[in-house]
This record gives sequence, C-alpha cells and structure tokens, in this order.
Amino acid sequence: AQRVTQPEKLLSVFKGAPVELKCNYSYSGSPELFWYVQYSRQRLQLLLRHISRESIKGFTADLNKGETSFHLKKPFAQEEDSAMYYCALLQGGDTGGFKTIFGAGTRLFVKA
Amino acid sequence: DTEVTQTPKHLVMGMTNKKSLKCEQHMGHRAMYWYKQKAKKPPELMFVYSYEKLSINESVPSRFSPECPNSSLLNLHLHALQPEDSALYLCASSQDRGTAGNTIYFGEGSWLTVV
Repeated sequence: AQRVTQPEKLLSVFKGAPVELKCNYSYSGSPELFWYVQYSRQRLQLLLRHISRESIKGFTADLNKGETSFHLKKPFAQEEDSAMYYCALLQGGDTGGFKTIFGAGTRLFVKA
Repeated sequence: DTEVTQTPKHLVMGMTNKKSLKCEQHMGHRAMYWYKQKAKKPPELMFVYSYEKLSINESVPSRFSPECPNSSLLNLHLHALQPEDSALYLCASSQDRGTAGNTIYFGEGSWLTVV
C-alpha cells in the first residue's frame, strides 16, 4: 500500500541548531515527493519538491530510494521555521487523475 | 491571481440543512480537489476533478456531493450531515500534468460545524 510515514509528531530544537524532519514512504512506482508547510494562521503551502532539487528558506530534502526516505533538513533553525510540516506523495488514481497523500505531519518548534 | 478562494470561511449547519461550500481559482489549473482536515490531523483527500470530470472519489458518503460547473469553480454540496463531519474543508487546485511536481495550491479552508 502507498503510505507516507512521519514518525515524529513534535520536534523541538533551539535556534541555530540543525533540524531534520523524517519522512519515509512506501510506493511501488517512481515516487514524486513533496514537503508542505503550514505556518500559524496561514494556508497549507508547498515548501519544496524533490524533482526540483531546490533549497527553500534554507531547507533541503534528498530522495533516498534505497532507504525510501525524503527527510527535510536545515543546518541552522530559525524561530520563524516553527510550523507544521507535512511530507506528501503524489500518486496516480486507479481511474485516472492524480492525488497527493499526506503524512501525519510533524510540528516543529524552534526555541529562542 | 495565484490564490484559491473558498467561501464561506465559517459555516454552522443543522443535520437537516442543505448547504454548499464554494471554491474558485483563476490560475488555469485543470485539477481541483476537496480535502477534509480534522484538528491535528493531515488533510484527507475526498474528491479529485480533472478537466471538470470527477476522477477520484475516496469512498466519501453520499451526503457530500461535489460539483464542478466549470474549470474555475468547484462546489461541495452538503446534506444531512452528521456532527462527526465537522472539520476544516480544504479546496485545492493544480495543473494536473502529473509530472515535474504536481504542486497543490490550497485555499484557506471552510470551517464547518454540524450541530
């Protein structure tokens, strides 16, 4: 079954410390993975996608097919990074169309 | 315009009422979605429309009825809901190319309370 697992519900780090939000997936095909973020009182929005190999707000994520992981990393956390982070997997529907499946989410809290 | 707009922002309805949630986007996206999100839970997919046709229905009860009048609009008609249907309902859209990252753009959501 297709699945996205985020093992940590809450991650608390100090400002300036490195942060890693874990994501593992289960998918039979070639996965397309994303990280979405929801800041307080804002809408859910895309942070980055593996296919773009980009760094957004200092965050990076590398797809590791051997470990079926797509962990989100930032070397120096900032207070404004405090938010809810969702790892997500794009998959095709059985009758056409595409759907994005979300992991349970990890709340990141960056302490001053 | 790079936004998905949802109305109303808040809705309280009785179990015998009929109401609708509305969603609009003008980004030229051809895929539109309804998600349901309960408190402290991830969004759960309900429906996917692709080129104005329903392509995915995630076994949603018939008391939820989606409608896509045109490529910019998506409605969710509600009838005979239960209190456990109270949640944040998120509309989203994407280019639906299925490649190069099918980025989902979300609306702010409609908070629904069923009493």
